[in-house]
Amino acid sequence: EIVLTQSPGTLSLSPGERATLSCRASQSVSSSYLAWYQQKPGQAPRLLIYGASSRATGIPDRFSGSGSGTDFTLTISRLEPEDFAVYYCQQYGSSPPIFTFGPGTKVDIK
Amino acid sequence: QVQLVQSGAEVKKPGASVKVSCKASGYTFTSYYMHWVRQAPGQGLEWMGIINPSGGSTSYAQKFQGRVTMTRDTSTSTVYMELSSLRSEDTAVYYCARCSTSCNYMDVWGKGTTVTVSS
Repeated sequence: EIVLTQSPGTLSLSPGERATLSCRASQSVSSSYLAWYQQKPGQAPRLLIYGASSRATGIPDRFSGSGSGTDFTLTISRLEPEDFAVYYCQQYGSSPPIFTFGPGTKVDIK
Repeated sequence: QVQLVQSGAEVKKPGASVKVSCKASGYTFTSYYMHWVRQAPGQGLEWMGIINPSGGSTSYAQKFQGRVTMTRDTSTSTVYMELSSLRSEDTAVYYCARCSTSCNYMDVWGKGTTVTVSS
């Protein structure tokens, strides 16, 4: 089973700064099978990025995803007040189907 | 618009079972698989399993094998997740989430159902 590790655990930044979040897999993951979600307190997660680099519908272009193999990155180019949240990466493995989440990175206000 | 409406909060005693529902609307129910994901207080997301609303086939995370049952009712576009032999560690918010067309990720989420297990 593939294990996802996210770093850092917490990222303290100011609005307007750039955020770089890492997701590392214990084995190679197809880029097609890597997604990122945002979760705010008391809310359900929201899909941000799928296929490692494709933005979901309605997601601002300050959010971008990149990476391949075992190393993936979510970048928020300039943090807006509403971007302070927890971010999870997720991978899909087949036969049998299994979906795995990373432990999350919290982006909070410095 | 696509919506997943979940049932209300539940309080259960240890050893009991809970059944959570998720009613889908705004799309063809049988065309998309549905996940169940849970989140314990202050913790991360944990995938529980997936159901194909078309044929009813399921695949469960190993951790929940033997304790979880996912079913669907196509007449009401509703999926259900039943978890048995509840213990305090099952206290969590339970989410249903639609699987994407390619079923690699979760594109629409319900608001969640809080299940509290307490004696």
